[in-house]
Amino acid sequence: GAGVSQTPSNKVTEKGKYVELRCDPISGHTALYWYRQSLGQGPEFLIYFQGTGAADDSGLPNDRFFAVRPEGSVSTLKIQRTERGDSAVYLCASSLQPSSGANVLTFGAGSRLTVL
Amino acid sequence: KQEVTQIPAALSVPEGENLVLNCSFTDSAIYNLQWFRQDPGKGLTSLLLIQSSQREQTSGRLNASLDKSSGRSTLYIAASQPGDSATYLCAVVTGGGNKLTFGTGTQLKVEL
Repeated sequence: GAGVSQTPSNKVTEKGKYVELRCDPISGHTALYWYRQSLGQGPEFLIYFQGTGAADDSGLPNDRFFAVRPEGSVSTLKIQRTERGDSAVYLCASSLQPSSGANVLTFGAGSRLTVL
Repeated sequence: KQEVTQIPAALSVPEGENLVLNCSFTDSAIYNLQWFRQDPGKGLTSLLLIQSSQREQTSGRLNASLDKSSGRSTLYIAASQPGDSATYLCAVVTGGGNKLTFGTGTQLKVEL
């Protein structure tokens, strides 16, 4: 597509529920990134994919968070047993390749998650 | 661990004024530095990217400088307009994989 698409744009859920957030990157972009932005803060890195594999998942806060990209295009961020502290905007970005310094990331509009 | 700081946290200026936003980072071994704009409820838009070997980049009324050795960057906005009102984020790439470390942003309001 023309840009990075994220769905849903807003998600309200109850504590303890399971949530999936979807990211559809720009066609042809091999690198895909997930970031989390809490209110009043800058985005924080969660995980990035090169193709189908997670090249770096060092930013995932705990084992309740998991992400997949089975066909090297669309990615899903999965959060189990949601907690109120998971409330944030989850941003997805993609780029042509993850080589440092070479390519600008294009960000989606984000998925705002609210855990009641 | 890389840390990025932005000063001021918020800024309000009258239309037409020139202004400077500041960004500092603790680890000078960066690959590049980027300035982004974020509008409420929207994603980030990349404004300028400065490679580690460069000193500055310009785009229209925007000019970003980089002093890698001192760990500082500035974003200069000339002749500010109400449409410039947004949050401006600075981010650096330190390690491999093009991962960004962001500052907390400067919220800019340009008033008529």
